[in-house]
Amino acid sequence: GAGVSQSPSNKVTEKGKDVELRCDPISGHTALYWYRQSLGQGLEFLIYFQGNSAPDKSGLPSDRFSAERTGGSVSTLTIQRTQQEDSAVYLCASRTGVSYEQYFGPGTRLTVT
Amino acid sequence: AQTVTQSQPEMSVQEAETVTLSCTYDTSESDYYLFWYKQPPSRQMILVIRQEAYKQQNATENRFSVNFQKAAKSFSLKISDSQLGEAAMYFCAYRNLGGSQGNLIFGKGTKLSVKP
Repeated sequence: GAGVSQSPSNKVTEKGKDVELRCDPISGHTALYWYRQSLGQGLEFLIYFQGNSAPDKSGLPSDRFSAERTGGSVSTLTIQRTQQEDSAVYLCASRTGVSYEQYFGPGTRLTVT
Repeated sequence: AQTVTQSQPEMSVQEAETVTLSCTYDTSESDYYLFWYKQPPSRQMILVIRQEAYKQQNATENRFSVNFQKAAKSFSLKISDSQLGEAAMYFCAYRNLGGSQGNLIFGKGTKLSVKP
């Protein structure tokens, strides 16, 4: 079956521009996560969505970062006024409501020049 | 807050040999999950093996096994009969059992090279 998909695969943007990253979770998965992987680092939790509940935004590094999830499915991570330190791979993961296992997408590599 | 530490930035193993990757973690919780994920150059994170903290028996998946030492907060991964295709970044991760959030806390990873 289809896994988690993310688009674009790679994004190069100029400092100060806004970017949107998209995640399509596995159908039926109610929980969705965004993580950031900076060069040489592990994954850093950003935000969590579960069903229709209010998202857990505790991992967002600044107010330039926001995310939404429409219809309990597709999610968009938006970074406003991008900075060079935002350059990283952004990974999305989803799981069912009761499972422990998160299924990851291939990520979006964001480069801010 | 929970933390995960991988003290080996890089490791190398000869094909068909055995290698052990180290991981330690810190938590005040008694119930949790531990995981090892593999990330090849494709960037796709792939679950290799998991361990529930309440289980004393070490988890095993084919040629992958763990040595879980709860008191020492240690969770190492052993790969037996290493294959060339297993060259990748390996990440140790922690997840609280309780609560609904379930986000993973990752170590910084170990880059494993497999030499022919």
